[in-house]
Amino acid sequence: AQSVTQLDSHVSVSEGTPVLLRCNYSSSYSPSLFWYVQHPNKGLQLLLKYTSAATLVKGINGFEAEFKKSETSFHLTKPSAHMSDAAEYFCVVSDLDKLVFGAGTILRVKS
Amino acid sequence: GAGVSQSPSNKVTEKGKDVELRCDPISGHTALYWYRQRLGQGLEFLIYFQGNSAPDKSGLPSDRFSAERTGESVSTLTIQRTQQEDSAVYLCASSLRVTGELFFGEGSRLTVL
Repeated sequence: AQSVTQLDSHVSVSEGTPVLLRCNYSSSYSPSLFWYVQHPNKGLQLLLKYTSAATLVKGINGFEAEFKKSETSFHLTKPSAHMSDAAEYFCVVSDLDKLVFGAGTILRVKS
Repeated sequence: GAGVSQSPSNKVTEKGKDVELRCDPISGHTALYWYRQRLGQGLEFLIYFQGNSAPDKSGLPSDRFSAERTGESVSTLTIQRTQQEDSAVYLCASSLRVTGELFFGEGSRLTVL
């Protein structure tokens, strides 16, 4: 069965500095991988997805993630954090069956 | 409708009462998921419907929880004899296919007093 581990429950960065949110997955098959974002009091929104095409995936709001099969990782990055990036981020894995969410990483952006 | 619709948006109930939460997915979406999000915690998978296949109920926390879906339309999540630990936001999501993008509703916030 597939599983996903988000290595940090909280990440704090200063505005303008890079963001790194880490995600490792376990899957028996070639997985599809997603990052979702949930802003306070808002619904979840898809940031980006990997479905076996290019290993570097670009998403909305300047975020991107790189699929590394050898490391079973799908870390989310952004070169320069903005205050509006403060939210909770979920890494999601799917292979043949249902989607499985990680526990989430809360991103705090300091001014 | 344009998106996934959930009702009620807020429900306050007394311990021991039954509640029913409704999800209206995007038309044509064959996959439907229910998740629970307790305060300060991540998403907890509850149940998954895919077309006319038998649902995956592996995430339901107890036999007080049940869900139904008629075909590829509306789904209801029922919690019987509610307990305080059932207090959470219950999220419904639908998808065009199993590994497709999930579209989430706004959630139903349940408070059990």
